[in-house]
Amino acid sequence: RKEVEQDPGPFNVPEGATVAFNCTYSNSASQSFFWYRQDCRKEPKLLMSVYSSGNEDGRFTAQLNRASQYISLLIRDSKLSDSATYLCVATSGGYQKVTFGIGTKLQVIP
Amino acid sequence: GAGVSQSPRYKVAKRGQDVALRCDPISGHVSLFWYQQALGQGPEFLTYFQNEAQLDKSGLPSDRFFAERPEGSVSTLKIQRTQQEDSAVYLCASSWEGTTNEQFFGPGTRLTVL
Repeated sequence: RKEVEQDPGPFNVPEGATVAFNCTYSNSASQSFFWYRQDCRKEPKLLMSVYSSGNEDGRFTAQLNRASQYISLLIRDSKLSDSATYLCVATSGGYQKVTFGIGTKLQVIP
Repeated sequence: GAGVSQSPRYKVAKRGQDVALRCDPISGHVSLFWYQQALGQGPEFLTYFQNEAQLDKSGLPSDRFFAERPEGSVSTLKIQRTQQEDSAVYLCASSWEGTTNEQFFGPGTRLTVL
């Protein structure tokens, strides 16, 4: 079982829709969590960190559920420019080893 | 401002050749990471440096892979006797310190082994 699991998708949604992705992690000692965005043939870029209390950045909301060991990303009012792969990241271990999920591909359709 | 740079951007190697991939992190960043990303997969951790110290190399797939950061800045990932399964994008990332901070990625080196 992979340490960080995501549904690879693709998720095809119309413009303006709300879409949610989940990511589960197996290491209960994981301490920090992130969502990165990766455009096709580009490098990953940080979208947002995920805090225990949940956090929001414009149309994006991230949540952490430690009891069930998952994090989520909610995108409201989807834009064409949101089309990308969204990578879930968990860090754990003494120095906080970094583990990426496979990524969830989102395609926003006009 | 200057971000993370990697060179070469593309490398084609014949099976059995040795290759060296370079990473220039953002100036002042203490932490440096190497990842391998195969097509359709997420980045897979290879190794992590804090300054010149290699704190974790548990992700290196075999002893053909070797990484160094002798002066705590530029890093080189070397792959000896390349195999076809080594074909992937090799990403370098740096951060201010530790692994709980944002990582800034370079554009990657796309390695193709024929």
